Amino acid sequence: DAGVIQSPRHEVTEMGQEVTLRCKPISGHDYLFWYRQTMMRGLELLIYFNNNVPIDDSGMPEDRFSAKMPNASFSTLKIQPSEPRDSAVYFCASSLGSWWGYTFGSGTRLTVV
Amino acid sequence: GIQVEQSPPDLILQEGANSTLRCNFSDSVNNLQWFHQNPWGQLINLFYIPSGTKQNGRLSATTVATERYSLLYISSSQTTDSGVYFCAVRGSNYKLTFGKGTLLTVNP
Repeated sequence: DAGVIQSPRHEVTEMGQEVTLRCKPISGHDYLFWYRQTMMRGLELLIYFNNNVPIDDSGMPEDRFSAKMPNASFSTLKIQPSEPRDSAVYFCASSLGSWWGYTFGSGTRLTVV
Repeated sequence: GIQVEQSPPDLILQEGANSTLRCNFSDSVNNLQWFHQNPWGQLINLFYIPSGTKQNGRLSATTVATERYSLLYISSSQTTDSGVYFCAVRGSNYKLTFGKGTLLTVNP
């Protein structure tokens, strides 16, 4: 298995632009998570899905952030409009139920200038 | 929510030395994982260990769930072991809560 695949690996954008981050979970996994890592706050959960349905989005910082999972093999995290404080590494992870560990993708390093 | 504390926050070793990293958590957990974040930022899963002891080469981990702690042992450390080691736990929901990590530097 190729693992969790995220794209792009790096993204540099100007303030105010829309940014879309993409994730392909491991085939067969039914949970998908979006995390954000910053120096100040560490790794924090933004949102997670179970069977493509958003279950808990309480970690989404504000309305500028949205996430979708249109099917079992694809999810997006969108920021519109982006701000410099959104600069961080965004990780996607997936898991099979609650009995096994989570596998993380390689992350997307977002820089908003 | 569950609190996760890791110690020490920083650790500097000479190549070949052994080390023990500790993770304390505030409530019962259904899942505990140790991750290594390498210098390229990748989060590598080391162990899924909600209880008991596991070993993988020079690394081993022990979780004592009843006492709410886990230990990660690194033996004969190598420079490639450098990076940040995270402990993450999951309680009754599916949220994996991370500690702040231990920054390990292994010098040649």
